[in-house]
Amino acid sequence: DVKVTQSSRYLVKRTGEKVFLECVQDMDHENMFWYRQDPGLGLRLIYFSYDVKMKEKGDIPEGYSVSREKKERFSLILESASTNQTSMYLCASTLSGAQVNTGELFFGEGSRLTVL
Amino acid sequence: AQSVSQHNHHVILSEAASLELGCNYSYGGTVNLFWYVQYPGQHLQLLLKYFSGDPLVKGIKGFEAEFIKSKFSFNLRKPSVQWSDTAEYFCAVKPTGRRALTFGSGTRLQVQP
Repeated sequence: DVKVTQSSRYLVKRTGEKVFLECVQDMDHENMFWYRQDPGLGLRLIYFSYDVKMKEKGDIPEGYSVSREKKERFSLILESASTNQTSMYLCASTLSGAQVNTGELFFGEGSRLTVL
Repeated sequence: AQSVSQHNHHVILSEAASLELGCNYSYGGTVNLFWYVQYPGQHLQLLLKYFSGDPLVKGIKGFEAEFIKSKFSFNLRKPSVQWSDTAEYFCAVKPTGRRALTFGSGTRLQVQP
């Protein structure tokens, strides 16, 4: 069974703190993604990675960075959390090659971050 | 800017009513199209997808969607909804050559028993 695991389901942080959100997939997928989900705005792409140590900015990368040191793990980093980063963060993965044309994403359960 | 639009933000239906949720996109080239569903407290999961061929696509749980290229639309339909269809529905588009999906803003469906 396909499995994308986000280590923290709920986090509460203070403004200015550094925040790490971790995501692990066990499907040997090349592509991994971080989205944020906000009411009325849907899902917006923050960053994605198509290979180890490779990353590309999405639509809203400001205030975020990412790390992909191993194929199965993709981390989202908030260097200095701000209140406008309070959101639900969703990690997803998909295969490359033939399946990249399908684009079907497999999602984790999400990490709800509150920044006070 | 290229985008995906879902015009219905919140839909309330009674059980057995028919459902149609709109989705329009603004990408000009070839696209792959998706509908995802998020049930309360659960992760997003794929409902159905279109790549090519028959523009009428059937998905899980009795859902279907029709791709109308001339209208840049991919509307989701179900003839008779159930209370268990209460969820948020997201349309998504992947233009050829791009790795990531672009999502619409979502439609919250509430089905009353």
